[in-house]
This record gives sequence, structure tokens and C-alpha cells, in this order.
Amino acid sequence: QVQLRESGPGLVKPTETLSLTCTVSGDSGDYWSWIRQPPGKGLEWIGYVYNDGRTNSKPSLRSRVTISIDTSRKQVSLNLYSVTAGDTAIYYCAGASGNYAGFDSWGQGTLVTVSS
Amino acid sequence: SYELTQPPSVSVSPGQTARITCSGRQLGTKYTCWYQQKPGHSPVLVIYQDKRRPSGVPERFSGSNSGDTATLTITGTQAMDEADYFCQAWDDSRVFGGGTRLTVL
Repeated sequence: QVQLRESGPGLVKPTETLSLTCTVSGDSGDYWSWIRQPPGKGLEWIGYVYNDGRTNSKPSLRSRVTISIDTSRKQVSLNLYSVTAGDTAIYYCAGASGNYAGFDSWGQGTLVTVSS
Repeated sequence: SYELTQPPSVSVSPGQTARITCSGRQLGTKYTCWYQQKPGHSPVLVIYQDKRRPSGVPERFSGSNSGDTATLTITGTQAMDEADYFCQAWDDSRVFGGGTRLTVL
């Protein structure tokens, strides 16, 4: 059983950087993703990082996203640069075991509001 | 970019069969999975690799995928199944459908 917990500021100013950390405990997975959900809307995949550091991200966000992993601390990080109000959402960390196995572990999510 | 389309809402009577579709170009050539999300909670994986159920997911949940459409079927729908359901597939990245609100009337 994997437990995931997101942490970071709940309020970020426009043009600044959104930084979140996901702490992993319990059994491990193969790779980790950040997924967000604007209030009342659907899920949007942001990107992933494998335990070996390989990353990929949604093309429309790629220029603003960095995802990294610290395996020694069992933490996954998200940096989203130059945020706007459109980046306001619940941000989830999710884990998957296997390339096509789906996201079988999720954090509780953290609401990040972009506002001055 | 690849897109997945779901109906915004589906209604079903208790005990009946609910079918939620997810459409995408040549979706049958890709693996799909399905998530259930209840209000105020994180999504839960209910189907992966088109038709496989994670441990703990009731047998009334099943999946299929062919052509351009994947389908989540809930047989003998219960009131507790009322939730939002999202499909997800693999392209160069990971893509989610817009979600379907299942109402059990």
C-alpha cells in the first residue's frame, strides 16, 4: 500500500512559481504523476517522473513545468512557473505500478489558488 | 493532441446496468482505464488495461475497448456508485476524458 501526501503553499501570486512536494510512504511504485483539477471541472494530467528520473509532461504545459524526484527522501516535486488564475486547481500526486496499469494510488490533493 | 470524449451525464435506476462511453481516435489500439471520483474525494482506479479490476473493486464494474470507443459497464448499479467517472488513455502522454456524472435515480 502506497500513501501519498502533497504539501506546499495554498496561495500563489500571478507570475510567480507554484511549488509542491509529494511525500511517498509505504510500498513503492514505478512512476509518479502530477494531476490537477480546477474546482468543479475534470482531471488534467500535468506530467510524470520515473524513479530513474525520466520525465514527460503535457505539451501545452511543458514550457512551464519541471517535475523531479529525490528517491533518497522519497519525494516528488512539481514546479509550475509563471502561473495565472487559470492554474487554480486541486493538485494531486498519483502513483502507478507498471506502464499501463493506471494510477492506483492518489494523495488527498491540495488546493492551490492563484491570486494577488 | 489526442482527445477523449465522454457524455457529461448518465442516469440509471438502481439495479439496472449503467454504461459510460469514452471516445477517441483509434482508442481500441490503446490501453484505457477508468476512475471513480466521489465529491470531496480523490479519484479511485476501478478499471485498468481496458478490463482488469484492481483488488477490492466490485465485480459489477467491467470494461471493454474496441474501435474508437471504450465502455465502462456497471451491472446492478447501486446508490453508492453515484459519482463522476473519468476515462484515461496513453498517447505520447496521459490523457483524461472530460468526465461523466453518473446519477442513480
